[in-house]
Amino acid sequence: EDQVTQSPEALRLQEGESSSLNCSYTVSGLRGLFWYRQDPGKGPEFLFTLYSAGEEKEKERLKATLTKKESFLHITAPKPEDSATYLCAGRRSNFGNEKLTFGTGTRLTIIP
Amino acid sequence: DAGVTQSPTHLIKTRGQHVTLRCSPISGHKSVSWYQQVLGQGPQFIFQYYEKEERGRGNFPDRFSARQFPNYSSELNVNALLLGDSALYLCASSLDGPGNEQFFGPGTRLTVL
Repeated sequence: EDQVTQSPEALRLQEGESSSLNCSYTVSGLRGLFWYRQDPGKGPEFLFTLYSAGEEKEKERLKATLTKKESFLHITAPKPEDSATYLCAGRRSNFGNEKLTFGTGTRLTIIP
Repeated sequence: DAGVTQSPTHLIKTRGQHVTLRCSPISGHKSVSWYQQVLGQGPQFIFQYYEKEERGRGNFPDRFSARQFPNYSSELNVNALLLGDSALYLCASSLDGPGNEQFFGPGTRLTVL
């Protein structure tokens, strides 16, 4: 059974204090590792897709990386507006059943 | 361009009732997926439809059903509601079946009393 585990469950950082969020996965025939940001009471907002080990993608203060077993979301010099829950998800197939298997998320709080 | 839209925003029902949730995908997107998100958990996959055909089904009871219309909008139906069905129901659309990102709507918050 596909499984995605995120750590830590919650993280509190001072503004400007860089850190990393971890996502380990067991998804047979992985065809994409996704990162989303979710604000309370809202739908997930797409951030990145990574397809192969060694791939990296960046957006503003966020950088996502992928290995064969895990993915990291690096946050550099975060600001209070980066506070949210960050979800990662693995997709097994490109076509047919495209379900995303999500982790439980990391709740990030940036303190001014 | 408008994103994924869902209606209603909030809904309160009692046990045993039936509910219909609606989703309109991003213009040009042909695939719609439904997820259930219980508070404090990640979204759980319910259904995926592509070109009006069911492409995948998650581990949910037969009380849950869905369909996709010719204009690619979709409905999720839940019969005989239970307290445990209280959750945020999310709809996601993608451009084509294979290899494209899923974009989520704002969700419908269902409360079962």
